[in-house]
Amino acid sequence: EPEVTQTPSHQVTQMGQEVILRCVPISNHLYFYWYRQILGQKVEFLVSFYNNEISEKSEIFDDQFSVERPDGSNFTLKIRSTKLEDSAMYFCASNGGQGAYSNQPQHFGDGTRLSIL
Amino acid sequence: AQRVTQPEKLLSVFKGAPVELKCNYSYSGSPELFWYVQYSRQRLQLLLRHISRESIKGFTADLNKGETSFHLKKPFAQEEDSAMYYCALHNAGGTSYGKLTFGQGTILTVHP
Repeated sequence: EPEVTQTPSHQVTQMGQEVILRCVPISNHLYFYWYRQILGQKVEFLVSFYNNEISEKSEIFDDQFSVERPDGSNFTLKIRSTKLEDSAMYFCASNGGQGAYSNQPQHFGDGTRLSIL
Repeated sequence: AQRVTQPEKLLSVFKGAPVELKCNYSYSGSPELFWYVQYSRQRLQLLLRHISRESIKGFTADLNKGETSFHLKKPFAQEEDSAMYYCALHNAGGTSYGKLTFGQGTILTVHP
């Protein structure tokens, strides 16, 4: 069964540095998402992406965050100047093949654990 | 604003006992509810969705719009059911492009 893959599995970065988290969604999916989970808290929506543009973002997704689909397979989350409070598990998800809609079940990656020092 | 509440952070039962994981939601539109499960060291995966009305691994969940609930039930718990369970809501009727709102999660432990 096809899977969403995320790299790296663990990223350690100094505060103030830029970090890029990478995701390869399932190949025929059209809708892509990033979520984060701070330790001990709930999974929170960050952003959704469709047709090469952001379709929705949460209040967490401020100017230091950006997403990109640089080619036909990768979907990246960039945090420009990391803060301590950005430490969390970041999950990528995708859904919605051709002819389907964004209400199809989302497939999640294993997550990237981001630790800001 | 849409919200999902899972009141129990931890739930422990013995093997063979019935189990119910509670989920309540608040949303004024047309919600679509899901249960996701995360087994130890594995990714979040879909367990079931309310529109399917199916039983997966012996689990069922009924959407009760009057009580705004979507509780997950299994009549006889198994040790392999031990996992983290998340209830999630999707705005099916609005302009939200698939955004899921998650509850806090319930850690289910099934003792032998």
